[in-house]
Amino acid sequence: GDSVTQTEGPVTLSEGTSLTVNCSYETKQYPTLFWYVQYPGEGPQLLFKVPKANEKGSNRGFEATYNKEATSFHLQKASVQESDSAVYYCALGDLGGSSGNKLIFGIGTLLSVKP
Amino acid sequence: NSKVIQTPRYLVKGQGQKAKMRCIPEKGHPVVFWYQQNKNNEFKFLINFQNQEVLQQIDMTEKRFSAECPSNSPCSLEIQSSEAGDSALYLCASSLSQGRDTQYFGPGTRLLVL
Repeated sequence: GDSVTQTEGPVTLSEGTSLTVNCSYETKQYPTLFWYVQYPGEGPQLLFKVPKANEKGSNRGFEATYNKEATSFHLQKASVQESDSAVYYCALGDLGGSSGNKLIFGIGTLLSVKP
Repeated sequence: NSKVIQTPRYLVKGQGQKAKMRCIPEKGHPVVFWYQQNKNNEFKFLINFQNQEVLQQIDMTEKRFSAECPSNSPCSLEIQSSEAGDSALYLCASSLSQGRDTQYFGPGTRLLVL
């Protein structure tokens, strides 16, 4: 069935350093790929999504490219800030197939950014 | 920011008690999902609706869990007889359509079963 695998955390960085969170997926379909972020005490919120292969999504300095050949969707940011501390989830959503119509989430990566 | 409203934010129940939580989806979103997020941050899909109709649900939902999304009323998820293993964050999400569309999440109801 459909699955998402991402970098296991926790990841601890100093402010101003770069971030990469690896995400790979398995599916036989043509999903939309998502990055969600979850802050303590809140539900996940959309960071950005990419519906088509070979396109890039971005928001708030974060970006990821939907690489269909490599089945990857790695999250990157050139310079993290303390306010970026949160849990980041890679997810895929598709219509039908083994995932049904629900989101399939990765395990989440806890990012802590030190000042 | 998401406008999905979930109540209550916290729920404490004894084993065997009923636990009920509610969700108001974003205005204009006909599709509603319920997920259970455990302490390891793993998401488990429970059930989803389009308007008032159940689209999919897992076996767990068919037994002790019940859910509905009546017209002009909040959606609800109820656990008939709570177990310790039900302690988790229950997340409601709404969407314009199934599958590839963005799901917008509420803040969740944190259930603790003692």
